[in-house]
Amino acid sequence: AQKVTQAQTEISVVEKEDVTLDCVYETRDTTYYLFWYKQPPSGELVFLIRRNSFDEQNEISGRYSWNFQKSTSSFNFTITASQVVDSAVYFCALSEAYGNTGKLIFGQGTTLQVKP
Amino acid sequence: DAGVIQSPRHEVTEMGQEVTLRCKPISGHDYLFWYRQTMMRGLELLIYFNNNVPIDDSGMPEDRFSAKMPNASFSTLKIQPSEPRDSAVYFCASSLELGAEAFFGQGTRLTVV
Repeated sequence: AQKVTQAQTEISVVEKEDVTLDCVYETRDTTYYLFWYKQPPSGELVFLIRRNSFDEQNEISGRYSWNFQKSTSSFNFTITASQVVDSAVYFCALSEAYGNTGKLIFGQGTTLQVKP
Repeated sequence: DAGVIQSPRHEVTEMGQEVTLRCKPISGHDYLFWYRQTMMRGLELLIYFNNNVPIDDSGMPEDRFSAKMPNASFSTLKIQPSEPRDSAVYFCASSLELGAEAFFGQGTRLTVV
């Protein structure tokens, strides 16, 4: 079954705090792709990162970092030194290569509020 | 490229009326997705196409919903007849190939009164 779970519905932090958004996925495929998207209050969905199942190397992009662990089926997202502009809904997504070829499904999203 | 273009941006209609949402994907993208977003149900995948062919429509809520992709540059999502519970933001997205990131349109906010 293809499934993405974001257990944290809402997180509230104070500016400059670090925050980690959790994502756990389920798939029977050995080849799959994971994504994170950001939806700011304006409503558009913005692509942040893509990972394939063969690349477990963690990635850092400025204040953003991602930790992919196949052993725990997790793809967590950390924002370091959070800023008010990071306030948004963040979605984790999964696409399978074979089982449900190309089907892109999303988790329920985590609403992050960064207070000044 | 201008990105994924959806129209209209906002639609208000009366219950029972037919509603047609339109999407122009990014040129050259093989996959097209239609999603519905509500507070209660989050981002639901309604249907997706590969090379203009519907692959999985299991997310389409009921027979009142239909989607077509007559060519690589255009897709429609039709609701007939519309009901108040169809009120939501409908997103169209496209991706270049299998496993590639999807790019989303601005969405259509549908209100059925």
